[in-house]
Amino acid sequence: DVKVTQSSRYLVKRTGEKVFLECVQDMDHENMFWYRQDPGLGLRLIYFSYDVKMKEKGDIPEGYSVSREKKERFSLILESASTNQTSMYLCASSFDRGAYNEQFFGPGTRLTVL
Amino acid sequence: RKEVEQDPGPFNVPEGATVAFNCTYSNSASQSFFWYRQDCRKEPKLLMSVYSSGNEDGRFTAQLNRASQYISLLIRDSKLSDSATYLCVAHTGTASKLTFGTGTRLQVTL
Repeated sequence: DVKVTQSSRYLVKRTGEKVFLECVQDMDHENMFWYRQDPGLGLRLIYFSYDVKMKEKGDIPEGYSVSREKKERFSLILESASTNQTSMYLCASSFDRGAYNEQFFGPGTRLTVL
Repeated sequence: RKEVEQDPGPFNVPEGATVAFNCTYSNSASQSFFWYRQDCRKEPKLLMSVYSSGNEDGRFTAQLNRASQYISLLIRDSKLSDSATYLCVAHTGTASKLTFGTGTRLQVTL
């Protein structure tokens, strides 16, 4: 059974703080993704990684960075949190199988920036 | 224009009804398509892949029309447990990147 875990379900931070969101998957997936989900906007891709130490910008990378030092772990970093980064953050992973690429999601982290 | 567009709903239907959702995509280079289901306050999970020939899984049928660039999901004999948000998803290009629609909310009532 594929399992994607995220370090926190709920997080409250203050404006300007550095925030780390951690994601771990146990299925040896090559690809890992970070999304944010907001009402009316759906899931939007922030960053993704298709290999260790590799990263690609998604659709909304501004204000975020990522780190992938090990295959199973993908971290999202908010260098200086702002109130407009209050959102639900979802991590996902998938095999790299070309067209068929089901993504498995973690339970999400609801981040509130005050 | 969004790459993947869906009617947000909500669709309120009685138990036992048949309901259909459509989704349109703008990038003709999109290669494969999926329907994901997301329960309230839960993560999205794959419901089914969408093949050009159409595919069926129990009460669920998915269709793809490449000429008109739309995808459909049909749910027959709706159950209360079908209440959820259904996300239409397109795969375009390389690197396994998916583009999600904003979802259609379904509420099945007694």
